[in-house]
Amino acid sequence: EIVLTQSPDFRFVTPKEKVTITCRASHNIGSSLHWYQQKPGQSPKLLIKYASQSISGVPSRFSGSGSGTEFTLTINSLEAEDAAAYYCHQSSDLPWTFGQGTKVGIK
Amino acid sequence: QVQLQESGPRVVKPSQTLSLTCTVSGGSMSSGSNYWSWIRQPAGKALEWIGRIYPSGTTSYNPSLESRVTISVDTSKNQFSLQLNSVTAADTAVYFCARESYGDEYGYFFDFWGQGILVTVSS
Repeated sequence: EIVLTQSPDFRFVTPKEKVTITCRASHNIGSSLHWYQQKPGQSPKLLIKYASQSISGVPSRFSGSGSGTEFTLTINSLEAEDAAAYYCHQSSDLPWTFGQGTKVGIK
Repeated sequence: QVQLQESGPRVVKPSQTLSLTCTVSGGSMSSGSNYWSWIRQPAGKALEWIGRIYPSGTTSYNPSLESRVTISVDTSKNQFSLQLNSVTAADTAVYFCARESYGDEYGYFFDFWGQGILVTVSS
């Protein structure tokens, strides 16, 4: 199975700071990589599909990049409401797998 | 707007079978080219994909759970279901149902999720 490794595991930031989360895949997955945001007690919410495609209704401060084995989620000018866990997910090869998650907290 | 809702027992005894149903509203399960998945998340841990089903009944399972899992569909009720046999405490988790959609590139993504249901395995 394809293993996704996210870094860092935790990040504590001040509002308006830029946040970058990395997801590395154990095999080449092309652009079949998606990002989700999960707030405590809620289900995950799709943020970015196919590595860099935006989702309607998601604030423009969220963006994604990368292909192959290395991907990045960027949050420009973080807001307090962005405190959450972020997960990457690959759909290149079954079984679908997720990264271990990155928790973003507010200082 | 598509909505999904999980239902089922919230406590299951060890060695017994966990059974959950996901009811889909706001659209027919059979109307598009969507798959329908089950995903779980132990407390404080990452998401784990369990398996999926197409409205025709075609299934795929995570090899780590395949020997114990069955996913079925009832399109007349717009529902799909999960059965997990021989449960242990390690199966205690929040179970989500989700819709898989396909865009203009390769692979599916989860665009709609249920709110999740906490299932505890305990005697």
